[in-house]
Amino acid sequence: ETTVTQSPASLSMAVGEKVSISCKTSTDIDDDMNWYQQKSGEAPKLLISEGNTLRPGVPSRFSSSGYGTDFVFTINNVLLGDEGIYYCQQSDNVPFTFGSGTKLEIK
Amino acid sequence: EVQLVESGGSLVQPGGSLKLSCVASGFTFSNYWMDWVRQTPGKSLEWIGEINTDGSKTNYAPSIKDRFTISRDNAKSTLYLQMSNVKSDDTAIYYCTTEGIDWGQGVMVTVSS
Repeated sequence: ETTVTQSPASLSMAVGEKVSISCKTSTDIDDDMNWYQQKSGEAPKLLISEGNTLRPGVPSRFSSSGYGTDFVFTINNVLLGDEGIYYCQQSDNVPFTFGSGTKLEIK
Repeated sequence: EVQLVESGGSLVQPGGSLKLSCVASGFTFSNYWMDWVRQTPGKSLEWIGEINTDGSKTNYAPSIKDRFTISRDNAKSTLYLQMSNVKSDDTAIYYCTTEGIDWGQGVMVTVSS
């Protein structure tokens, strides 16, 4: 089973700043990493899918990079509406494990 | 518009059984693999398992293998999760999803005596 280690656990950022979240996997997963946003009381929303592919309708402020075992999710020019919890998930091999989440607070 | 609507959540005693349903609309259900994902209160997401388009292949997380069964009825555009021998650790919100792309609103399952 592939373990996904996500950091940091929480972030407090000001509007306009840049956010970076890291996920490291215990096995090589090529670029089979997905990134989700979950707002309070809602289901997760897929922002970026395998191959660092931005989903339709997701602002280009969101991006990701990485291959193999090290991955980074970035939000440029963070907005108040970006508050929530962000999760990474590897989809290379079952079970498709998630990271532990990063709670993003906007000051 | 894609819609996934889960139902069947409730309070169940440890060792008991429960069957969740997820009715899909707005897309061709039979063309998509489907997944179940759960979220324990205040905690992270856990992928439970998946089923292929015709229901002939399933994969499960080790934590629920041999206790939970995923199935589907393409004629009814419905996905199922049969939960057996449930434990307190199974208390969670259960979501159905089209491989992470679209998600239902979730249904709460509470395991307690």
